[in-house]
Amino acid sequence: DVKVTQSSRYLVKRTGEKVFLECVQDMDHENMFWYRQDPGLGLRLIYFSYDVKMKEKGDIPEGYSVSREKKERFSLILESASTNQTSMYLCASSLRGSPDGYTFGSGTRLTVV
Amino acid sequence: TQLLEQSPQFLSIQEGENLTVYCNSSSVFSSLQWYRQEPGEGPVLLVTVVTGGEVKKLKRLTFQFGDARKDSSLHITAAQPGDTGLYLCAGSGAGSYQLTFGKGTKLSVIP
Repeated sequence: DVKVTQSSRYLVKRTGEKVFLECVQDMDHENMFWYRQDPGLGLRLIYFSYDVKMKEKGDIPEGYSVSREKKERFSLILESASTNQTSMYLCASSLRGSPDGYTFGSGTRLTVV
Repeated sequence: TQLLEQSPQFLSIQEGENLTVYCNSSSVFSSLQWYRQEPGEGPVLLVTVVTGGEVKKLKRLTFQFGDARKDSSLHITAAQPGDTGLYLCAGSGAGSYQLTFGKGTKLSVIP
């Protein structure tokens, strides 16, 4: 069964910490995405990548960075975590040229205290 | 900027009832997907529609893409408690595989 795996289901971090969220897909997909999901705001795109070592800013990139050194892995980095980054983080991947939508991971519920 | 409006935002119904949720835009989409998300999980793809007027059925769920490819609906017949979740629609424009998501319809089916 094809999968997008996020390294942690739940994380609690302190304000100011550097936080790494990892995402790995086994489908050889070119495209990978990081979203955050908050009640009433829906899914908001943070960053995406269409190829190895390539990254593009989404709608809310401030306070985040990403890394894609290998095709299967897309990492989201919170340089200095703040309480307003408490959220559900979702990673997704898709196949270039396919209209078939995204495959999502199970999400990481991050709490910054 | 392409926007997708979903309605209703919340829906609570009794088991066995029928329901329809809507996804509307002023923009044309080359394809549209519906996802279901259960609490604490990521969204799971239910269906993709690509042709204006297309109707797809998935057991008790019927999905329709509008003739002008600007809107879609999801109809559930005889809802079950297992249908409970957040239903998201998402569309992609011509030449783009980056999706625009609606904010979702939160469905509760009461036994």
